[in-house]
Amino acid sequence: AQSVSQHNHHVILSEAASLELGCNYSYGGTVNLFWYVQYPGQHLQLLLKYFSGDPLVKGIKGFEAEFIKSKFSFNLRKPSVQWSDTAEYFCAATSRGSGNTGKLIFGQGTTLQVKP
Amino acid sequence: DVKVTQSSRYLVKRTGEKVFLECVQDMDHENMFWYRQDPGLGLRLIYFSYDVKMKEKGDIPEGYSVSREKKERFSLILESASTNQTSMYLCASSAPTGTRSEQYFGPGTRLTVT
Repeated sequence: AQSVSQHNHHVILSEAASLELGCNYSYGGTVNLFWYVQYPGQHLQLLLKYFSGDPLVKGIKGFEAEFIKSKFSFNLRKPSVQWSDTAEYFCAATSRGSGNTGKLIFGQGTTLQVKP
Repeated sequence: DVKVTQSSRYLVKRTGEKVFLECVQDMDHENMFWYRQDPGLGLRLIYFSYDVKMKEKGDIPEGYSVSREKKERFSLILESASTNQTSMYLCASSAPTGTRSEQYFGPGTRLTVT
């Protein structure tokens, strides 16, 4: 069955610390991959996405993610977090193949708390 | 900018009531989705629609139905609300399948069933 797994459920960091959130997917074919963020009281919004090409993708607010096909991973990184990065982060995937209906499968989410 | 709006931010209903959640998007998107978001479970797909009057079940359709009579509007219906349907409900839309498009989300409706 297709699935997306996020290893860290709750992460607490101090400002300026580096961040890496893990995401692994299980899909039969090629996939499109996404990271979404939900700031407190706000809409879910896209941080970055990977469809093809350069496996290192850059998103908004200094975030980046690396697609490693051999590890079925798409980890999110930021070199130096800020208090304003406190939010819930979701990894998601959709099949790119002929059966693609645009349906996303989401991971369980990771709550990031950044202490000032 | 894509805008996805939902009819209510907060809703309180009694067990057994019929509940309607409305979602409207303004980008002429073909695809629309309804999810529920629960702590520790992420977002789970309830139903989605890829065209007017077309619908497909997601991962957790039991106890829900949907309606899409117009392209811009996608309604989620709880035929007889139960306490285990207390949750945050998110609507999303996206451009046609096969395009390089992400899903755009509404602000969510927090539903409490008492």
